[in-house]
Formats: sequence, C-alpha cells, structure tokens
Amino acid sequence: AQSVTQLGSHVSVSEGALVLLRCNYSSSVPPYLFWYVQYPNQGLQLLLKYTTGATLVKGINGFEAEFKKSETSFHLTKPSAHMSDAAEYFCAVSFTGGGNKLTFGTGTQLKVEL
Amino acid sequence: NAGVTQTPKFQVLKTGQSMTLQCAQDMNHNSMYWYRQDPGMGLRLIYYSASEGTTDKGEVPNGYNVSRLNKREFSLRLESAAPSQTSVYFCASSELLGTSSYNEQFFGPGTRLTVL
Repeated sequence: AQSVTQLGSHVSVSEGALVLLRCNYSSSVPPYLFWYVQYPNQGLQLLLKYTTGATLVKGINGFEAEFKKSETSFHLTKPSAHMSDAAEYFCAVSFTGGGNKLTFGTGTQLKVEL
Repeated sequence: NAGVTQTPKFQVLKTGQSMTLQCAQDMNHNSMYWYRQDPGMGLRLIYYSASEGTTDKGEVPNGYNVSRLNKREFSLRLESAAPSQTSVYFCASSELLGTSSYNEQFFGPGTRLTVL
C-alpha cells in the first residue's frame, strides 16, 4: 500500500525567505509523486510531478521538488516566498497500474508574512 | 473550456435526507473521481470511474453511491445523509492512457456540504 506523510501541518515564512515543505512516501513499487496547491475556496491544481528520469522537477510559480529514493522523500522548495504563495499544499502518490488514483498527504498550510 | 464544474456549491441537509452532487467535465477525459476533504485529513477517494461504464470504490465509499452517466458526467449520491458526511466534496477528471498513472487530475471548485 502507498502512503504519504507531510511533516508540519502549518509552515510560516517571511516574504523572500526559502520555502521548504516536506513530503515522505511509502511505496512497495516505484512511485509517481505529485505536489498540488489549493488556494482558499478553490479546487486543487498541479504544481509539479515526478514520473521517471530527472529527479529534480521544476513546476509552476518557481517551485521545484527533488525525488530522493534513498530518503523516500519528495520535498517542495521555492527560493524566495511571495505573498501569493500562501495556500495549502498537498503531496500525493500513485503507481503504475493503479488507475491513476492518488493517495494524498494531510496537507501543509503555508503562511507568508511581511 | 469550463474544465470541471460541480453543482451545487453549497448545501445544507438534515440527517436522513438524500441528495445528488453533480459533476461534469468538458476535457474529454476518460477517468473521473470523487474525493472528500476534511480538516487535517487531506483528500480521500470515495469512488472513481476509470472509463465510461465502470465505477469502483475508493478508500471511503460507505454511505455513497455513484453513477457515470456518460463520458462527461459523474454524480455522487448520498442516500441517507449523516453528520459524519459533513465535508467539502471535490470532483476531478484525468486522461487515462494504458497503465500510466501519472496523468494530471483536474479538480472542480468543490461542494461544501453540511449535514445537521
């Protein structure tokens, strides 16, 4: 069975500071990994995904994530936070033959302060 | 393109009432999904439909039924609502190509349901 753990349900950073949101996964088969973002009162939208190949994945709005198999991690980073990054972020996992079904983490609320 | 649309946006029910949540997508996707979102629990899959004519249970199917009406529409029905079903419900759709499981899911804006 696949699972995702997001460390820290709330993260607060200053505008211009590094954003680091943590995600660890558990999977008995090679995983596909995703980060989705949810702005207030909206649905989720894809930030980035890892399938195969290059382990450093770049997404929208300056975010990137690195797949580290040895650490079973897929942490999301952004060098410089902007006020507009305030949202909830979800890490998710799927696997080949899984019908494109996603297993989500519990989410991390990012707050950006002036 | 409207993407994924959901109706209604808000609903208040009394315990025991029934209702159907509607979802439609205009992206010609094969697969559709229903999730519920609860504070501190992320999104959990209720039911999904890999393709028109098929439906399968997800992680939390009890108390729900679904209908894949056609390729565009996928409805979720609560036959006898309970307070534990108070939640935000999201519909999503994606392409499904062979055994690949890494296609982006596109989400609707959600339905906020309260059961009293």
